[in-house]
Amino acid sequence: GAVVSQHPSRVICKSGTSVKIECRSLDFQATTMFWYRQFPKKSLMLMATSNEGSKATYEQGVEKDKFLINHASLTLSTLTVTSAHPEDSSFYICSARDGREVVGELFFGEGSRLTVL
Amino acid sequence: QKEVEQDPGPLSVPEGAIVSLNCTYSNSAFQYFMWYRQYSRKGPELLMYTYSSGNKEDGRFTAQVDKSSKYISLFIRDSQPSDSATYLCAMSRSTGGGNKLTFGTGTQLKVEL
Repeated sequence: GAVVSQHPSRVICKSGTSVKIECRSLDFQATTMFWYRQFPKKSLMLMATSNEGSKATYEQGVEKDKFLINHASLTLSTLTVTSAHPEDSSFYICSARDGREVVGELFFGEGSRLTVL
Repeated sequence: QKEVEQDPGPLSVPEGAIVSLNCTYSNSAFQYFMWYRQYSRKGPELLMYTYSSGNKEDGRFTAQVDKSSKYISLFIRDSQPSDSATYLCAMSRSTGGGNKLTFGTGTQLKVEL
């Protein structure tokens, strides 16, 4: 099946720094990718919808200036956590759907665990 | 009230047992229903996908949707230790590239030898 690659899988950073997470669709083109955040024993919380060639659509309560999303190509979306704080520590997961399919499976990346010290 | 409710568990069963996982939802606009399996520290993977009410079977897995009761279930027959994971239900109003999924909190399942 289709594969979504997410990198890095783990990152530790100091408070105040910025961290970039990449999400790539490896064998299909994804016009839309989704970014989620997951807390322990909690559901996946949709943060934003990333659209290729246009601005991302953020969910209510998600700071767009803090979580910068760039979807520069049909196979790559990036999430940058700017000026990270300890409360930003979480598991971030991206997903993508093959844009050629009318009813397409949503493929998830392996997730990126961010720890802000 | 959350749009999707799911018992977080944990649920512990012996190997070979039949497992029943359930979700309820409040939004009658949901038409597409999915079950995902998530192993620890990994991204979710799609197990089953159903449209509207009815049953769907795939090997040891059966998904049921009852739209009149706003209730969906996932049954696992002859459960194996490798089935130990968190199971998330998800649903959406429509399909297509841009539609959003609403997830349950996930039920943690442990199948013991």
